[in-house]
Amino acid sequence: QVQLVESGGGVVQPGRSLRLTCAASGFTFTRYAIHWVRLAPGKGLEWVAIISDDGTIKYYRDSVKGRFTVSRDSSKNTVNLQMNSLRPEDTAIYYCARVEADFWGGYLKFWGQGTLVTVSS
Amino acid sequence: SYVLTQPPSVSVAPGQTATITCGGDNLGPKRVHWYQQKAGQTPVLVLYDDRDRPSGIPARFSGSKSGNTATLAIGTVEAGDEADYYCQVCDDSSDHWVFGGGTKLTVL
Repeated sequence: QVQLVESGGGVVQPGRSLRLTCAASGFTFTRYAIHWVRLAPGKGLEWVAIISDDGTIKYYRDSVKGRFTVSRDSSKNTVNLQMNSLRPEDTAIYYCARVEADFWGGYLKFWGQGTLVTVSS
Repeated sequence: SYVLTQPPSVSVAPGQTATITCGGDNLGPKRVHWYQQKAGQTPVLVLYDDRDRPSGIPARFSGSKSGNTATLAIGTVEAGDEADYYCQVCDDSSDHWVFGGGTKLTVL
């Protein structure tokens, strides 16, 4: 069965870095794009980034562009989110999710359980 | 940047129908997807491509779109339907994916 498992969350001081990993199993990893989506305390779902199935196309929300980098390793079936220069407003549960149907208009049927990132001094 | 507008909250009595709207500029050509997120849980896809239901989602959940507004309808609402509901689209003009602000459904 399709499984996505996030890891790497934790408490970090403002300005520091953190690397999240999304481990995928139960499907052909190289056929699917992956999104990162976050849920901040008291807020709604927020799209963060997407990486295409082959890793060549990446897009980011404006507030993380230049600070976050998404990558994937097909030998390990993992997608990483490198988060630098973290800010308190980056505090959230971070989910990875698999894109169904097609890259541009596809939907998110399979989600991980999320990993909590807390940015605080 | 592209914005999807949802009402912050909707309240409905058990057994009634709840309707949640999602508005956005030029929404017509875009494919709208809907997610349910219960407190402390992972989001669940309840509708995709405006009106299609994934396997396992009851037929009580239905979707429609007219002009710049998409609507999620939940018929015969149950206490277990209490959750936050989000619409989502891809704005290919900006290469951004967008969620609506979310609607908290309360079952009275």
